[in-house]
Amino acid sequence: QVTLRESGPALVKPTQTLKLTCTFSGFSLNTFGMSVNWFRQPPGKALEWLAHIDWEDEKFYSASLKTRLSVSKDTSENQVILTLTNVDPVDTGTYYCTRVRAVDTDMIVDYWGQGMLVTVSS
Amino acid sequence: EIVLTQSPGTLSLSPGERATLSCRASQSVTSRSLAWYQHKPGRAPRLLIYGASIRATGIPDRFSGSGSGTDFTLTISRLEPEDFAVYFCQQYDKSPRTSGLGTKVEIK
Repeated sequence: QVTLRESGPALVKPTQTLKLTCTFSGFSLNTFGMSVNWFRQPPGKALEWLAHIDWEDEKFYSASLKTRLSVSKDTSENQVILTLTNVDPVDTGTYYCTRVRAVDTDMIVDYWGQGMLVTVSS
Repeated sequence: EIVLTQSPGTLSLSPGERATLSCRASQSVTSRSLAWYQHKPGRAPRLLIYGASIRATGIPDRFSGSGSGTDFTLTISRLEPEDFAVYFCQQYDKSPRTSGLGTKVEIK
């Protein structure tokens, strides 16, 4: 059974660094074709893709957030860590980690975490 | 990036009725690279459909997806009580992956 769970601070002050951890089970990030992607959803807005890390440790980031985002993995702990520097109130939203799996030639988001609401406020 | 527009915003229906949800893309989604998800409050979103029309494992056959190019549809043939939720589409044809705002299916 595949599960993912986001954890981290619920409240962060402007200019601080946000660090979120995705702890997963039921799959390995060492397996060919597996990756973890992060999304976020500001209140009342659509989901926004943030970052990707895969079994080969390839990383991709949202173009608009590239200078502030980083993602890493700890395969022994089955964790992926997302870091967002210099946060602003516009970074407020629900953050989701997801599993992405290769199906034929497609990369499908097939499992999601419950999401974690992060508020940026002084 | 590809913008996905879902309609209607809210669908008020009774159990047993048919639900038809639309997802329109701002440019063609090639290879039918579109998925549909169900999302209930406080729960993880659940994959229903990928490849525009392929049901994910364990998804009942009352859920069906269709469409290509810029117009996609999710149909729930007969609403069950557990189907009242928010449904959103997501394209994975072009980076970045983008999602629609969702359609809320509520009990009439």
